[in-house]
Amino acid sequence: GAVVSQHPSRVICKSGTSVKIECRSLDFQATTMFWYRQFPKQSLMLMATSNEGSKATYEQGVEKDKFLINHASLTLSTLTVTSAHPEDSSFYICSAIQGRGKETQYFGPGTRLLVL
Amino acid sequence: GDSVTQMEGPVTLSEEAFLTINCTYTATGYPSLFWYVQYPGEGLQLLLKATKADDKGSNKGFEATYRKETTSFHLEKGSVQVSDSAVYFCALNAGGGNKLTFGTGTQLKVEL
Repeated sequence: GAVVSQHPSRVICKSGTSVKIECRSLDFQATTMFWYRQFPKQSLMLMATSNEGSKATYEQGVEKDKFLINHASLTLSTLTVTSAHPEDSSFYICSAIQGRGKETQYFGPGTRLLVL
Repeated sequence: GDSVTQMEGPVTLSEEAFLTINCTYTATGYPSLFWYVQYPGEGLQLLLKATKADDKGSNKGFEATYRKETTSFHLEKGSVQVSDSAVYFCALNAGGGNKLTFGTGTQLKVEL
């Protein structure tokens, strides 16, 4: 149980285009989802926290107009990288918490984004 | 701010060797501490956790003890297997919204 999927697993796009990444909790309802970014040989950096039905809370330094997050249902959150540039190339990982008050995060397998 | 420091990898061991991956942290208050493991091509999985000082988390032969006096949470296993090859992340949750702060990850390679 507690499986989180991401789609796509890998995406290549041209500079200036927008890319949408989906994060789904397959067998549980996720009241809270998190989006992380991971650079090679570096930590996972939290980008934002999204609660179902409300606006996402972004970490300091993360452009909310660049990284649009939508958490429209209890099983789906999306991250849209708008007007992507090569510096946005990275590994994006989502996680989800099963129910309020829970501490354990369940992680998706990640999405590799390459912007040319 | 909160931070986690873990030893750089890769760590290469022979099968049945003893494993230690060091992790130290800086945090306000009394954080919960975690070890996550990421197998090739998969997402991070919770390996073990400890929520207060002197607690020992354990799972699949791995152990880590929450040491408040040394602000450490070192991961150990007495006898590693090839199937333990993965990247291991130390993390903390200092409270407030379940926000996790991760270390950089340590890659473990176990050879026959």
